Amino acid sequence: NAGVTQTPKFRILKIGQSMTLQCTQDMNHNYMYWYRQDPGMGLKLIYYSVGAGITDKGEVPNGYNVSRSTTEDFPLRLELAAPSQTSVYFCASSPGQQETQYFGPGTRLLVL
Amino acid sequence: GESVGLHLPTLSVQEGDNSIINCAYSNSASDYFIWYKQESGKGPQFIIDIRSNMDKRQGQRVTVLLNKTVKHLSLQIAATQPGDSAVYFCAETPNTNAGKSTFGDGTTLTVKP
Repeated sequence: NAGVTQTPKFRILKIGQSMTLQCTQDMNHNYMYWYRQDPGMGLKLIYYSVGAGITDKGEVPNGYNVSRSTTEDFPLRLELAAPSQTSVYFCASSPGQQETQYFGPGTRLLVL
Repeated sequence: GESVGLHLPTLSVQEGDNSIINCAYSNSASDYFIWYKQESGKGPQFIIDIRSNMDKRQGQRVTVLLNKTVKHLSLQIAATQPGDSAVYFCAETPNTNAGKSTFGDGTTLTVKP
């Protein structure tokens, strides 16, 4: 199993541009998550999903959108990139509620 | 409000010593806790977990202690090795708000040879 994979690894965006961060897991996990991690800080939950077709907001959802059309994929969309969205983005998955989360390697995003 | 925090942002130990990393939480509804290790440039990795019906859980060289009375969690690493150098996060998940874990800001552990 590849686990959780994320693409791209690094991206530079200009203010106002849009992009989609891709996340795929091959463990057949129902739960998937998107976090952002600012330098020297912990993880902040952006959005999560408890199954295909179901998504919900986390702590910091503004400026982002998600979709979950399949169990495997959970893309994160930035519509109008802002400097405040410069961060490292981690995708994770878990079999269910209150279970270990498995993290991807992260996407480093720089908005200039 | 809810918070998960760590008492010390950095910890430096000698190789071979034991390390103790602390975490405080404030949500009484939290009943599942995980410690994660994050090496530079990588995603967090599971170390050990504990549920609220336990006070202590042991893994390989790691022990997690849970004190529900004072809402405190600790991670003990025995015979710390250079490979243990990383940032350690505690995370809490309440029995409500399905899937919404809260992470602390992390403690940076540095192991000196």
